[in-house]
Amino acid sequence: DGGITQSPKYLFRKEGQNVTLSCEQNLNHDAMYWYRQDPGQGLRLIYYSQIVNDFQKGDIAEGYSVSREKKESFPLTVTSAQKNPTAFYLCASSTQQVREQYFGPGTRLTVT
Amino acid sequence: SQQGEEDPQALSIQEGENATMNCSYKTSINNLQWYRQNSGRGLVHLILIRSNEREKHSGRLRVTLDTSKKSSSLLITASRAADTASYFCATEDNNTDKLIFGTGTRLQVFP
Repeated sequence: DGGITQSPKYLFRKEGQNVTLSCEQNLNHDAMYWYRQDPGQGLRLIYYSQIVNDFQKGDIAEGYSVSREKKESFPLTVTSAQKNPTAFYLCASSTQQVREQYFGPGTRLTVT
Repeated sequence: SQQGEEDPQALSIQEGENATMNCSYKTSINNLQWYRQNSGRGLVHLILIRSNEREKHSGRLRVTLDTSKKSSSLLITASRAADTASYFCATEDNNTDKLIFGTGTRLQVFP
């Protein structure tokens, strides 16, 4: 099965702890993205990567970090510096030729 | 905010009726895309219309694009209860190639 997976589906953390969200794809896509979605809102771009070992900040990168060591994987770390981390996080991937993005099922992060 | 806006925010209709959602955006675009999101799930791509296209069809979906007014509409014909979801437009920015998402329309189709 080709697709994009995110784990875990639900994640609970205490304030002050860093947490890493996993995103893996086997679609052979070059580009990968992380978005944040708050209740009743659209998606906001956190980070994106168009090629291995390279990534760029999106619109709301503060308090987040990423790595892209492998084409298939683009993990997102939510650091303790992120002031309001509770949200639904979505990972996506795409190719340069076909501009549509394929989304994973999302991770709902709750920080208390 | 660069986010686009969608109208209406929420729409309730009966099965068999048509549903129309509108999207307005602010920047110059390469293309405009529509996505669907079932509650608590990821987004699914529905249709892409390029900036030089005015109308596109896919099954029961019809999308129009007016770049002079920076607006688009999505029409779902003969709606079904299974069409109940949130629908988002997303524009690919001409300068950055990034997707900018609208705030979404929540569609409820009653059987």
